[in-house]
Amino acid sequence: DAGVIQSPRHEVTEMGQEVTLRCKPISGHDYLFWYRQTMMRGLELLIYFNNNVPIDDSGMPEDRFSAKMPNASFSTLKIQPSEPRDSAVYFCASTSPRASGGSNTGELFFGEGSRLTVL
Amino acid sequence: SQQGEEDPQALSIQEGENATMNCSYKTSINNLQWYRQNSGRGLVHLILIRSNEREKHSGRLRVTLDTSKKSSSLLITASRAADTASYFCATAGGSYIPTFGRGTSLIVHP
Repeated sequence: DAGVIQSPRHEVTEMGQEVTLRCKPISGHDYLFWYRQTMMRGLELLIYFNNNVPIDDSGMPEDRFSAKMPNASFSTLKIQPSEPRDSAVYFCASTSPRASGGSNTGELFFGEGSRLTVL
Repeated sequence: SQQGEEDPQALSIQEGENATMNCSYKTSINNLQWYRQNSGRGLVHLILIRSNEREKHSGRLRVTLDTSKKSSSLLITASRAADTASYFCATAGGSYIPTFGRGTSLIVHP
């Protein structure tokens, strides 16, 4: 398997523009996570899905952020409008209890991240 | 919050030495995981230890868990320059969703 695939790897945009980050999870994984990483706040969980359904979006910082998972092989994280403080590396991760050999989510498989810079 | 906190924040050692990183957390957990992140890359899972386990080994890695002290340690033996990376602990409670600490930055000098 190719692993978790994220695009774009780098995005530079201007304040106020819409940003869409994309993620393809590992085939067969039924959990998908979006994390944000900054020097100041570390790695924060934004939202996670189970079987394409959003389960917990309490980490989404503001209404400017939205995430969708229209099918098992694709998810998007959208920021509209973007602000300089949104600059960060955004990671997508997927997992499956079956992959962990048990009933819990266990090991997460991360993509390489999307580095976002908002000017 | 069940977020783990790693200690030290940064560690610099010579190749061949052992590296020990610690993780403390505040509430009960179901499992604790350690991940590695090379510069500019995604996190890679190293090892998972369940709350009823006290020690696990994987190659040069040794992880211990003390639930009474709410702490874990990651030991890398005979370190190599390629071990240079940031190391994160992630704790999971009732929801089994991992929450990450801020990481320990390890530099191994050749």
